[in-house]
Amino acid sequence: RKEVEQDPGPFNVPEGATVAFNCTYSNSASQSFFWYRQDCRKEPKLLMSVYSSGNEDGRFTAQLNRASQYISLLIRDSKLSDSATYLCVVNDPRALTFGSGTRLQVQP
Amino acid sequence: NAGVTQTPKFQVLKTGQSMTLQCAQDMNHNSMYWYRQDPGMGLRLIYYSASEGTTDKGEVPNGYNVSRLNKREFSLRLESAAPSQTSVYFCAGATGSEAFFGQGTRLTVV
Repeated sequence: RKEVEQDPGPFNVPEGATVAFNCTYSNSASQSFFWYRQDCRKEPKLLMSVYSSGNEDGRFTAQLNRASQYISLLIRDSKLSDSATYLCVVNDPRALTFGSGTRLQVQP
Repeated sequence: NAGVTQTPKFQVLKTGQSMTLQCAQDMNHNSMYWYRQDPGMGLRLIYYSASEGTTDKGEVPNGYNVSRLNKREFSLRLESAAPSQTSVYFCAGATGSEAFFGQGTRLTVV
């Protein structure tokens, strides 16, 4: 079983739609959780950290459920510029472990 | 403040050749990582270094060696390159709360 699992997608959504991604992790000792964004052929960049209390940054909301060991990302009012691959990242705590990513394509 | 710098950005090797990928960070991070990303795939951890002088294997260490001689630099060496090592290689420096990546090295082994 992979340590961090994500639905690879692609998720094809129209502009303005709301889309949600989930991610599950296997190591219950994991301490920190993140969502990264990766544009084609570029390096990953931090989108947001994920806390048990949930956190929101503009149109983006991240949630952590430690009991069920999953992390979610909600994007509201999708923009064309949101098209990218979204990577779930877990600090397990030895090292940062990445999911394979979920590809989002926002269409006009 | 350059962040994390990787060299080279592109490289073509012949099977059996050796090379070292360089990574340097000026962000004073204790932890540094090397990942590879194959087309359409996520990042897989090759090696990591939790602090200066220590290194540990990740998910896919075979065929690679690393060196963390000081806090700033973490190099990745391919002793005898194979076509299966064709990939994009990313170096990262990290605190507990965030990882910063270099721009990647696109390596092709023919």
